[in-house]
Amino acid sequence: DAGVTQSPTHLIKTRGQQVTLRCSPKSGHDTVSWYQQALGQGPQFIFQYYEEEERQRGNFPDRFSGHQFPNYSSELNVNALLLGDSALYLCASSLVSGNYEQYFGPGTRLTVT
Amino acid sequence: AQSVTQLGSHVSVSEGALVLLRCNYSSSVPPYLFWYVQYPNQGLQLLLKYTTGATLVKGINGFEAEFKKSETSFHLTKPSAHMSDAAEYFCAVTDASGGSYIPTFGRGTSLIVHP
Repeated sequence: DAGVTQSPTHLIKTRGQQVTLRCSPKSGHDTVSWYQQALGQGPQFIFQYYEEEERQRGNFPDRFSGHQFPNYSSELNVNALLLGDSALYLCASSLVSGNYEQYFGPGTRLTVT
Repeated sequence: AQSVTQLGSHVSVSEGALVLLRCNYSSSVPPYLFWYVQYPNQGLQLLLKYTTGATLVKGINGFEAEFKKSETSFHLTKPSAHMSDAAEYFCAVTDASGGSYIPTFGRGTSLIVHP
């Protein structure tokens, strides 16, 4: 049973550029959440997708956007990158019926220079 | 609003010694509580969770935690540390209201195990 997968593993971008991160949920899961984990911090909730709609959003600017596809996979897009966007981006999947139990992927390490 | 405080950004123990990682939470409604472990360059793995029922919760790798409502605490313990337990540990709280279950994480505690 494949767990949550994310791509790419690492990414280096320049300030002002745009980036797209991808996530495939655990088999059978229908809900995807994205988190930003800065160095030395706990994960911060960005947003959650269910049925291809943004279900809930954390305190992140509109530069952060997402999408969920019919196969439940998801993308996180960040526009106009800032140095402060450098972080580990984690994707977590769950079942909407048991949403409190989230399974995390290995993350994408984004470095903005 | 809910929040989590993890006391001590680093905890150092000797192999075979008791592990105690502290977590206090605030929540306006009955909480769901979690402990996650993160190994270097990896995502988070669920160690254990408390939702309802028995307040002493057993998890993987010999860890357990006790929900104490009167103390608003959910401390993580393991009787005997192993070198492989060295990792970052995160406590998280969520509530069941609204059905969104979005967890709020603490800042993490790094567990260092000395031989």
